[in-house]
Amino acid sequence: ELKVEQNPLFLSMQEGKNYTIYCNYSTTSDRLYWYRQDPGKSLESLFVLLSNGAVKQEGRLMASLDTKARLSTLHITAAVHDLSATYFCAVDPLSYNNNDMRFGAGTRLTVKP
Amino acid sequence: NAGVTQTPKFRILKIGQSMTLQCAQDMNHNYMYWYRQDPGMGLKLIYYSVGAGITDKGEVPNGYNVSRSTTEDFPLRLELAAPSQTSVYFCASDRGSYNEQFFGPGTRLTVL
Repeated sequence: ELKVEQNPLFLSMQEGKNYTIYCNYSTTSDRLYWYRQDPGKSLESLFVLLSNGAVKQEGRLMASLDTKARLSTLHITAAVHDLSATYFCAVDPLSYNNNDMRFGAGTRLTVKP
Repeated sequence: NAGVTQTPKFRILKIGQSMTLQCAQDMNHNYMYWYRQDPGMGLKLIYYSVGAGITDKGEVPNGYNVSRSTTEDFPLRLELAAPSQTSVYFCASDRGSYNEQFFGPGTRLTVL
C-alpha cells in the first residue's frame, strides 16, 4: 500500500529564515504534486514534478523530486508571513489504478515576524 | 470559467439520513475526484471517474456512491449517514495523469 509521509507536520519559523519540508513515499512513482491550503479554504496547486531530478521554483518556494530515493522536498527561502499555510504533497502511484492519488498529512507552516 | 463548483457549502445531517453532494466543472476535464479531509489530516480519495459513465473506488469508498452521466457533473451520494462521515468533502478535476488537480471550495458536512 502506498504511504506518503511528510515531515515536519508543524513548522514555526521566523521571517527571513530558510527551511525544508520533506515528503517521502513508499512505492514507485514519477508523479508528485505540491499543494497549498489556507485555513478554511480549498487546495491550490503549487508544483507538478514529473521526472527524476525535476526542480521547479516559484517565488520563495522551490520543489524537487528524487524518484530513486522516493523523496521530494519543498524549500522555503527567506520566509514571509504570507507563506503561512498548510502544504501537502501528493503522489500518483505507478500502478494499474493510476488515478489513486495519495496525500501526505500536511505540514502546517507558521511564519512569525 | 467558474472552475469546480460544489453545493451545498455546509450541511448538518441526522444519523441515517441521506444526501447528495453536488460537483460540477466547466473546464471540460475528463477526470473527476471526490476526497474527504478530516480535521488536521490530508485528503483521502473516495471515488474517481475518468469519463462519463466510468467510475472507480478510491481509498475510502464505503458508505458512498457516485455516478457520472455527463462530463460536467459528478455527484456524491451518502446513504444512511453516520457520525464517521463528518468531514469536509472536496471535489476535484483534471485533464488526466501528469496534470495538476483543480479543487472546488468544499462542503462541510456534520452528522449528528
